Amino acid sequence: AQSVTQLDSQVPVFEEAPVELRCNYSSSVSVYLFWYVQYPNQGLQLLLKYLSGSTLVESINGFEAEFNKSQTSFHLRKPSVHISDTAEYFCAVTRRDSSYKLIFGSGTRLLVRP
Amino acid sequence: DTEVTQTPKHLVMGMTNKKSLKCEQHMGHRAMYWYKQKAKKPPELMFVYSYEKLSINESVPSRFSPECPNSSLLNLHLHALQPEDSALYLCASSDSSTGAYGYTFGSGTRLTVV
Repeated sequence: AQSVTQLDSQVPVFEEAPVELRCNYSSSVSVYLFWYVQYPNQGLQLLLKYLSGSTLVESINGFEAEFNKSQTSFHLRKPSVHISDTAEYFCAVTRRDSSYKLIFGSGTRLLVRP
Repeated sequence: DTEVTQTPKHLVMGMTNKKSLKCEQHMGHRAMYWYKQKAKKPPELMFVYSYEKLSINESVPSRFSPECPNSSLLNLHLHALQPEDSALYLCASSDSSTGAYGYTFGSGTRLTVV
């Protein structure tokens, strides 16, 4: 079975500061990895995903995440956050060997303060 | 069209009522999903339909009844719900060949059971 751990339930940070949201996963099989963002009263939006290839993946709005197989991690980073980045961030995994099931971590609330 | 549309956005129902949630996509996706999300929790998978057939039921109580009338539509019929069923219900779709790594989520229906 797969599991995802997001140790930080909330991360407060000042605007324009860098941020890292941590994600660790556990799986006996190869997985795909994702970060989703959920703004208040909205559904989930895919932020970025790691399927294969380069271990560093980037989103169009300045976030990046690095897949580290040895540490089973997929931490999300942004060098300079904006107020508008305030949201809930979910790390998720799914099995590579054909699975329709996305397994989410418990989420991290990023709170950006002016 | 790259969206998953859910209606209604908000629903309040009594414990003896029967209601339905609707989900629609026109991306040609052949896999559709229902997730339930409680406040401050990650989404939890309820059902998966693949090619209009139910392929995964995550031991959901029978008061929730899914239906996939065609490849574009997914319904969730609700009957005799309990207050603890109040949650955000999210629909998602994906191409059958991509499964979970191709999810597109709708914005959800916020259900309150009184």
